[in-house]
Amino acid sequence: DAGVIQSPRHEVTEMGQEVTLRCKPISGHNSLFWYRQTMMRGLELLIYFNNNVPIDDSGMPEDRFSAKMPNASFSTLKIQPSEPRDSAVYFCASSLRPPGEQYFGPGTRLTVT
Amino acid sequence: GESVGLHLPTLSVQEGDNSIINCAYSNSASDYFIWYKQESGKGPQFIIDIRSNMDKRQGQRVTVLLNKTVKHLSLQIAATQPGDSAVYFCAENVYNFNKFYFGSGTKLNVKP
Repeated sequence: DAGVIQSPRHEVTEMGQEVTLRCKPISGHNSLFWYRQTMMRGLELLIYFNNNVPIDDSGMPEDRFSAKMPNASFSTLKIQPSEPRDSAVYFCASSLRPPGEQYFGPGTRLTVT
Repeated sequence: GESVGLHLPTLSVQEGDNSIINCAYSNSASDYFIWYKQESGKGPQFIIDIRSNMDKRQGQRVTVLLNKTVKHLSLQIAATQPGDSAVYFCAENVYNFNKFYFGSGTKLNVKP
């Protein structure tokens, strides 16, 4: 299996632009998680889905952030408009069943200038 | 203003020595714990897990100890190798909730 796939790996954008991060979970996994990692706040859970349904989005910072999971093999995290403080590494992870080992993707490093 | 980053505890060990990484968790209701390893530029990777009905669990070169009385978790790595250099996170979970809370991490430096 290819593991969790994220794209792009790096994204540099200007403040105010829309950013879309993409994730393909491991086939057969029914839970998907979006995390943000910064030096200041460490690894934070933003939102997670179970069977494509958002279960807990209490970690989403504000309305500028939104996430979707239209099917079992694809999810997006969108930031609109982006701000410099959104600069971070964003990880997607999936797991077979809750609770259990989460398999992380390689991350997307986002820089907002 | 100047931003202040997380203070990441660092443990430096000599190659071949044993390493012990500690973690204090916050929620007394947490009953499932995972240790992750994160190498530079990569996502966290599962090492070992333990449920609260156990005090100790062993894997290949790694042992996790759980002390529920003081809410403390430790990861022991035997015969530490340069490839073990990474940041190690503990994550806690309350069973039936598919939500893990990650600690701030400990950086392990293995000196050859």
